[in-house]
Amino acid sequence: TQLLEQSPQFLSIQEGENLTVYCNSSSVFSSLQWYRQEPGEGPVLLVTVVTGGEVKKLKRLTFQFGDARKDSSLHITAAQPGDTGLYLCAVYNFNKFYFGSGTKLNVKP
Amino acid sequence: DSGVTQTPKHLITATGQRVTLRCSPRSGDLSVYWYQQSLDQGLQFLIQYYNGEERAKGNILERFSAQQFPDLHSELNLSSLELGDSALYFCASSVVPSGSYNEQFFGPGTRLTVL
Repeated sequence: TQLLEQSPQFLSIQEGENLTVYCNSSSVFSSLQWYRQEPGEGPVLLVTVVTGGEVKKLKRLTFQFGDARKDSSLHITAAQPGDTGLYLCAVYNFNKFYFGSGTKLNVKP
Repeated sequence: DSGVTQTPKHLITATGQRVTLRCSPRSGDLSVYWYQQSLDQGLQFLIQYYNGEERAKGNILERFSAQQFPDLHSELNLSSLELGDSALYFCASSVVPSGSYNEQFFGPGTRLTVL
């Protein structure tokens, strides 16, 4: 059983559409991170959320940490082809980093 | 460019062989992490070193070993390779040894293919 469940696994949308991806767990975490990974490259940290209910914005990306600190969402407004990639959530638990299996996003021009 | 370098970029070898993957962390980073990414398992944490000492261990097989040298570069040794070891292997580095706010910087990865 994965510590972090991400959904959907795959998402293919047209440029300009909005989308939301989710990261869920039954465990409580002190913080959660979101990464984006492009093909052939390593993941790049986008944001760390630390407070229950916290909302952080990074241009067209909005990240929210659940009130109970068990889940998080990433909303992209007016998606662009440059947003294409694998979106991973991660937590630090018992001295280790755990990653979700990711949402593979494809934004078509 | 994250500042983390990994060599080689691609590696093709046969079952039963042994390979060594190399990682140089960002300048000033004392922590090095190794991860394996495969299609069916996602990104799995293998092991972490901090300033030359093993700090945390994940799902690392006994056939795999790692070390961090005095100049802070790290090597991941994979032996008795099996087909299932084919994957992307990433190295990441960070300044601090641990913590929820730890920002890791990932290298470009080594793609290992075992035939």
